[in-house]
Amino acid sequence: QSALTQPASVSGSPGQSITISCTGTSSDVGGYNYVSWYQQYPAKAPKLMIFEVTNRPSGVPDRFSGSKSGNTASLTISGLQAEDEAYYYCSSYTTTNTEVFGGGTKLTVL
Amino acid sequence: QVQLVESGGGVVRPGGSLRLSCAASGFSFSDYGMHWVRQAPGKGLEWVAVAWFDGTDKYYADSVKGRFTISRDNSKNTLYLQMHSLRAEDTAVYFCAKDTGSDYSLDWWGQGALVTVSS
Repeated sequence: QSALTQPASVSGSPGQSITISCTGTSSDVGGYNYVSWYQQYPAKAPKLMIFEVTNRPSGVPDRFSGSKSGNTASLTISGLQAEDEAYYYCSSYTTTNTEVFGGGTKLTVL
Repeated sequence: QVQLVESGGGVVRPGGSLRLSCAASGFSFSDYGMHWVRQAPGKGLEWVAVAWFDGTDKYYADSVKGRFTISRDNSKNTLYLQMHSLRAEDTAVYFCAKDTGSDYSLDWWGQGALVTVSS
């Protein structure tokens, strides 16, 4: 149950697009279309932004999109806004019926 | 409106035990898997355990297997986490979270309960 690999930080200017990667193995990310992405502000509970690789829950702006290729999933945020500055975590179902999270990525809006 | 409210957190000595509760409302509790996820101070999220529907199927992270037990009482709409043999590294905010269905994506989260393991 090793954590998925995410960059520690990414940054972008308002209006730009950024992509956060999430690398796992064939036992998790690569083996199932059960990758989720969460947004978390400091001292707050996480919020689901993407589920099943590409799906957005109701209320999540369509500026947020997800994709996957092989063992790597990605979250793209287009039209970056100041309110997007937060931590982002990926997660995946695994072959042992458990879940594994990524280490988290801090997004800074310049 | 879905609500998840954790309780039972506190300070406990190494080797001690503690039980967390999560009171759920606003949805049909017995129709969904329920998870515990923790976050150590200044660290990332760590999945802890899941209990599915009637609680028969339960799975745990290796880091807590054999020490923690997840359970649920569908008649009370409540999820539990019994923690034994606590270690300093178990210090964290513990969140309960509702699964969207059966895909391990978590669409509703509680506010968290802080567990501090310290002598």
